[in-house]
Amino acid sequence: ETGVTQTPRHLVMGMTNKKSLKCEQHLGHNAMYWYKQSAKKPLELMFVYNFKEQTENNSVPSRFSPECPNSSHLFLHLHTLQPEDSALYLCASSQEAGTGYTGELFFGEGSRLTVL
Amino acid sequence: DQQVKQNSPSLSVQEGRISILNCDYTNSMFDYFLWYKKYPAEGPTFLISISSIKDKNEDGRFTVFLNKSAKHLSLHIVPSQPGDSAVYFCAASRLFGNEKLTFGTGTRLTIIP
Repeated sequence: ETGVTQTPRHLVMGMTNKKSLKCEQHLGHNAMYWYKQSAKKPLELMFVYNFKEQTENNSVPSRFSPECPNSSHLFLHLHTLQPEDSALYLCASSQEAGTGYTGELFFGEGSRLTVL
Repeated sequence: DQQVKQNSPSLSVQEGRISILNCDYTNSMFDYFLWYKKYPAEGPTFLISISSIKDKNEDGRFTVFLNKSAKHLSLHIVPSQPGDSAVYFCAASRLFGNEKLTFGTGTRLTIIP
């Protein structure tokens, strides 16, 4: 139990579907992240939110839309995805995304997404 | 262009022996390095870190070595235990700059009983 909970754990969707991934952290952290893990590739940072404000969008296609209503919750809205978007999507949190940060992230268990 | 490279996708080590996982980086601005461990169906968990002002950091059975001139770090696990079987990710960042972590592709370690 890392204090970061992701739902759903598994999701299968068609290319025309709209779905959302949810992340909740119980650690009192101020920064939250979405990462994508594809087979044989490094973990790819997608989005960073610091104190509910998006501070980084790592050139992610607009079919991925993040939402951070508060420092404890992060969503990733999915729309008209492609089969190559199939991957493990990991949410993480940290104390804050700023100077002096140690770099330690606390990850959720991930949401395994399959796009048909 | 991968700035953090783990060139060995997998490694098998006998239980009780030393496991050595390697990581190379290309960005000389990186000054903070971390290792994460990931079991199947779980997210990565932080294992150990090292700042560029040090060349060694030890935590129990785990030791990370940093060779700045070679832009190389390694994780030593001794003695290796079956529970150490997992995927290990190396990551790097700039502690007082953009703290975004850059990850390697991971090395799958299998400890043979």
